[in-house]
Amino acid sequence: EAGVTQFPSHSVIEKGQTVTLRCDPISGHDNLYWYRRVMGKEIKFLLHFVKESKQDESGMPNNRFLAERTGGTYSTLKVQPAELEDSGVYFCASSQGGTGGRGTQYFGPGTRLTVL
Amino acid sequence: AQSVAQPEDQVNVAEGNPLTVKCTYSVSGNPYLFWYVQYPNRGLQFLLKYITGDNLVKGSYGFEAEFNKSQTSFHLKKPSALVSDSALYFCAVRPDLSGNTPLVFGKGTRLSVIA
Repeated sequence: EAGVTQFPSHSVIEKGQTVTLRCDPISGHDNLYWYRRVMGKEIKFLLHFVKESKQDESGMPNNRFLAERTGGTYSTLKVQPAELEDSGVYFCASSQGGTGGRGTQYFGPGTRLTVL
Repeated sequence: AQSVAQPEDQVNVAEGNPLTVKCTYSVSGNPYLFWYVQYPNRGLQFLLKYITGDNLVKGSYGFEAEFNKSQTSFHLKKPSALVSDSALYFCAVRPDLSGNTPLVFGKGTRLSVIA
């Protein structure tokens, strides 16, 4: 079974540019999460999809971040315009539906974003 | 609010010796606790979790963790460390609620196993 995949693995952009990150969850997983780790700090929650619906977006830092999950499959996270403080590693995770809090979240390899 | 503390940024241990990576947590109600490992240039890999039942949980690669409710701890342990265990370890918690709440992570502990 394929795991969670993310694209690109690295992205270097200049301040003010736009970047779109993609996440493909494990097939059949209804829950999809985005997290971010800024260098040396905790991994912090950004938002949670259940199928195509946003269940919780309380962690989104501001309106420069836009996440979508069309058709309840893959998800994209767009940053527009990017700022220096957006640099970090963006992780995507997925878990099965119906497991509640007991479900294990499986993580992708992450996208390392550098904003210059 | 939920929180996780990993008091050590770095743990060094000699190969073959036992290792412990510490984690304490704060959560409203009963916790679900998780350990993840990140090898260099790789994503987070699930190691083990505590949901309910036996306080000693066994996971991948010979790791285990002990849930201690009175001390609100969930330390990760392995009886005999390998050089290949060198990685970044994250402890995470979520409250025992019906929904799929997000994980709250600690800052991570870098484990270095020296041959």
